[in-house]
Amino acid sequence: GAVVSQHPSWVICKSGTSVKIECRSLDFQATTMFWYRQFPKQSLMLMATSNEGSKATYEQGVEKDKFLINHASLTLSTLTVTSAHPEDSSFYICSAPASGVNTGELFFGEGSRLTVL
Amino acid sequence: GQNIDQPTEMTATEGAIVQINCTYQTSGFNGLFWYQQHAGEAPTFLSYNVLDGLEEKGRFSSFLSRSKGYSYLLLKELQMKDSASYLCAVRDLGDNFNKFYFGSGTKLNVKP
Repeated sequence: GAVVSQHPSWVICKSGTSVKIECRSLDFQATTMFWYRQFPKQSLMLMATSNEGSKATYEQGVEKDKFLINHASLTLSTLTVTSAHPEDSSFYICSAPASGVNTGELFFGEGSRLTVL
Repeated sequence: GQNIDQPTEMTATEGAIVQINCTYQTSGFNGLFWYQQHAGEAPTFLSYNVLDGLEEKGRFSSFLSRSKGYSYLLLKELQMKDSASYLCAVRDLGDNFNKFYFGSGTKLNVKP
């Protein structure tokens, strides 16, 4: 199957700082990547859709200026949590549908657990 | 808007069969997916339905009725390692690309 790699797996930062999370498709090109957030014991909430070469599309209620998304190439999308606060602490996970896979299912990165002190 | 409902939690016995239901109401539909997620890990793909009917894949089967907005995941011969959350996801037709929306997940506890 297709492989999506996410980095870092764990990050702890101070309130007010910014954190960048990288998501890479290792063996396929991803024109679209999805960023999800998951709070404990809850499901995945779609935050935004990252599109290579164009602006990301954000879901309703997600602050564009807070969660900056850049899809610089066909294999890399980044999510930057700006001026992080404790309420931003969560599990952030990226995913991409792999072209050439019949079902078009999503392949997920390992996830990044962010803790803001 | 998107509305995908699943039971919050279920318990079953090792070796038994369990059915996890999912109902959905979405603005568009382009497939229904089931994922398994162990705590602290990324979801892994289990099954996919785009047409009505049953798809069987080893111990796992998934059913879809598009007219009813309903799907279920059937797990047979339960094993302890099947204890996990099971996520129902709908691929919705967006303006320019598909989006995937997830239900709240069903936590399955398998007991000896």
